[in-house]
Amino acid sequence: DGGITQSPKYLFRKEGQNVTLSCEQNLNHDAMYWYRQDPGQGLRLIYYSQIVNDFQKGDIAEGYSVSREKKESFPLTVTSAQKNPTAFYLCASSIVGDIQYFGAGTRLSVL
Amino acid sequence: RKEVEQDPGPFNVPEGATVAFNCTYSNSASQSFFWYRQDCRKEPKLLMSVYSSGNEDGRFTAQLNRASQYISLLIRDSKLSDSATYLCVVSLYGGSQGNLIFGKGTKLSVKP
Repeated sequence: DGGITQSPKYLFRKEGQNVTLSCEQNLNHDAMYWYRQDPGQGLRLIYYSQIVNDFQKGDIAEGYSVSREKKESFPLTVTSAQKNPTAFYLCASSIVGDIQYFGAGTRLSVL
Repeated sequence: RKEVEQDPGPFNVPEGATVAFNCTYSNSASQSFFWYRQDCRKEPKLLMSVYSSGNEDGRFTAQLNRASQYISLLIRDSKLSDSATYLCVVSLYGGSQGNLIFGKGTKLSVKP
């Protein structure tokens, strides 16, 4: 089945630890995105990438890093510099300029 | 200032009711408009795109008023399964950059 797969579904981070969230798509989409959603809030863009080996900061990139070495994959690392990482993280993909489709999300909590 | 505003609700309606949600956006250069649906603790899913001429998909009708910078979603004959949060989404660029601006959502609860 075609789609976007995020893993893990739940993730716990210790103080000072970097954690990486996985996002894989087999839709042959060029563009991929990472969003963060806090309770009662809208989605906020962290990073996006329109092509392999290129990515752009979104509205809240501080404390996060990404890579885009393959078209299918866009992992997000939540670094220790992100002081409030607890949130629902959503990955999306699209044909550039077209509708975005979302993965099932990863819930990150701090131990 | 880029912003999409929605009434957070909750809208509590009986089955069979007609309910309307409104959304305003601040940037007149906005290009594309969508309604997404998000179930509790799930990812958003596209409900429908919104076109200037208005569009309908079964029980759902979306309208866009560019002059007033206003988008609406009408749900007729509400079902229990319509209970969800409805997100108004605007694309500033309509293409080349593709990033979307999400409203905080309007929560709908349909009761038996």
